Amino acid sequence: SYDLTQPPSVSVSPGQTATITCSGNNLGGRNAGWYQQKPGQSPLLVIYQDNKRPSGIPERFSGSNSGNTATLTISGTQSMDEADYYCQAWDSRNAKDVFGSGTTLTVL
Amino acid sequence: EVTLLESGGGLVQPGGSLRLSCAASGFIFRNYVMSWVRQAPGKGLEWVSGLSGSGGDTYYADSVKGRFTISRDNSKNTLYLQMNSLRAEDTALYYCAHQKLGSYSRWGQGTLVTVSS
Repeated sequence: SYDLTQPPSVSVSPGQTATITCSGNNLGGRNAGWYQQKPGQSPLLVIYQDNKRPSGIPERFSGSNSGNTATLTISGTQSMDEADYYCQAWDSRNAKDVFGSGTTLTVL
Repeated sequence: EVTLLESGGGLVQPGGSLRLSCAASGFIFRNYVMSWVRQAPGKGLEWVSGLSGSGGDTYYADSVKGRFTISRDNSKNTLYLQMNSLRAEDTALYYCAHQKLGSYSRWGQGTLVTVSS
């Protein structure tokens, strides 16, 4: 099966840049998506197709994907960005979708 | 505005069955892949199943294959998930999600399924 690995937690100071990684075999050859989930809320798409932002998502959210690693970058991190973040990609070989294990972003 | 409203969750005994529904509005339902994603209490997201716009192509996670059946009624703009032979590990909040350009662009609020005796 295809697995996506994320660090369990990332901490960042307000105003600094947060970087969350997602690793998987040849992930750069697939389209990666990123989701933000705050407690008690449904997930929210923040990045699709590696580096595109849906309408309404702040410009401080950006993404990249190359080799075996996709990266979500949050520039000028704000306290409101504190949440769980999940990466996602389609495993075309097995015709299944896959989510990463999730990363808890703490802003302190 | 895209809206997804799940229903049908509840408490069921191990080995029992449940059918979830997801009523969609705000987009041309038949044109989009729709999926179910679940989240066990305190855990991460787990993709469960996906279905093409026409209903002709179905996809399942190994953990539910053979027990769950995804379907849709495009005349009613509704997605379904028939869940049989339920196990304790199927306990989760089940989300209906609209897929666009390979990602899940909209999510419902979820419906809770609890499998317990």
